[in-house]
Amino acid sequence: GAGVSQSPRYKVAKRGQDVALRCDPISGHVSLFWYQQALGQGPEFLTYFQNEAQLDKSGLPSDRFFAERPEGSVSTLKIQRTQQEDSAVYLCASSLLRQTYEQYFGPGTRLTVT
Amino acid sequence: DAKTTQPPSMDCAEGRAANLPCNHSTISGNEYVYWYRQIHSQGPQYIIHGLKNNETNEMASLIITEDRKSSTLILPHATLRDTAVYYCIVRVVGGTASKLTFGTGTRLQVTL
Repeated sequence: GAGVSQSPRYKVAKRGQDVALRCDPISGHVSLFWYQQALGQGPEFLTYFQNEAQLDKSGLPSDRFFAERPEGSVSTLKIQRTQQEDSAVYLCASSLLRQTYEQYFGPGTRLTVT
Repeated sequence: DAKTTQPPSMDCAEGRAANLPCNHSTISGNEYVYWYRQIHSQGPQYIIHGLKNNETNEMASLIITEDRKSSTLILPHATLRDTAVYYCIVRVVGGTASKLTFGTGTRLQVTL
């Protein structure tokens, strides 16, 4: 079956541009997570959805970052007025149950801000 | 979530067992130990988890000490495809917040 997919896989943005990153979770997965991974570091949590409800956004680094999951399936992470420090791989993960052990990750979107 | 400590890198010969250690001395009674790995240019992949008993699945074995302050992930017959960064994570399971807190992991290099 299909896993978690993310698009685009690579994005180059000029400083100040807005970007939108898409995540298609595994069908039926209730929980959806976004992580940010800087070069050479482990992924860091950004935000968490349970269905369409954003239950935790404590990891979003600034108010330029916004995430949504309006129908409880596809999610979009939007970054406004991108800065060079936003350059990273953005990973999306989904899980079947609220209290599951395993998160399934997508391949990530590599964002480069020039 | 409890902090974990892992060696930054390890080497292993192909076909031999890879034993990856993890210290989690401040782990709480309701925290599980998870292992994920990340192959280059891919998203992390779940390997195994446990609470206090040793666990084994088709990928690996997890040995947790009796005091639960440390654990070891064992890949019994490492192959070149096991070259990856391995993350040891401890977290509470339950409630609505089940994010993963990654450290910097152990970079395992499997060689011929």
